[in-house]
Amino acid sequence: KNEVEQSPQNLTAQEGEFITINCSYSVGISALHWLQQHPGGGIVSLFMLSSGKKKHGRLIATINIQEKHSSLHITASHPRDSAVYICAAVIITQGGSEKLVFGKGTKLTVNP
Amino acid sequence: NAGVTQTPKFRVLKTGQSMTLLCAQDMNHEYMYWYRQDPGMGLRLIHYSVGEGTTAKGEVPDGYNVSRLKKQNFLLGLESAAPSQTSVYFCASSYTSGRNEQYFGPGTRLTVT
Repeated sequence: KNEVEQSPQNLTAQEGEFITINCSYSVGISALHWLQQHPGGGIVSLFMLSSGKKKHGRLIATINIQEKHSSLHITASHPRDSAVYICAAVIITQGGSEKLVFGKGTKLTVNP
Repeated sequence: NAGVTQTPKFRVLKTGQSMTLLCAQDMNHEYMYWYRQDPGMGLRLIHYSVGEGTTAKGEVPDGYNVSRLKKQNFLLGLESAAPSQTSVYFCASSYTSGRNEQYFGPGTRLTVT
């Protein structure tokens, strides 16, 4: 079992719909990142959060450390939101360093 | 600022050939990373560096070597390419540790025939 699991793997929505992408992890973490990978391949960071909720425009990320779960929400979705969304957990290794463990990504397609 | 750049963008190698991928960042970041991305799998860490002159192994280091002679550059070398190394390679950098935002390069698509 992967340390970081995302669901769904693929998601198709109509423009204007509310989108939720889920990320769960099986080990203790210190923080979690949400990334967006554009169809052209470029990867950008959306959020880093260690507790609670963050909002940027139509994007909202939440995390519940105790339940080992995070969600990414997109309100009023638009075709330009079509991308792969990746969560990455910050795990502290036995040596005390931090490493990112990535989920496999959720491919979102928003149709006009 | 250019951010994180990678060269080349595409490359086709024959089995057994060698090559070096170059990553450069102009943000004065301490940490730099090399990842590979394969279909159906998440990004996997190959090697990373926590500062000039330092390197460390990641999750999938076999078949790769790295060097960080200058703070702004992180080189990934394949000494004898194998078809299993066909992948998209991403370089990233961050100010410090994993809790800091990572900035990614545009990627290098490598095919080994």
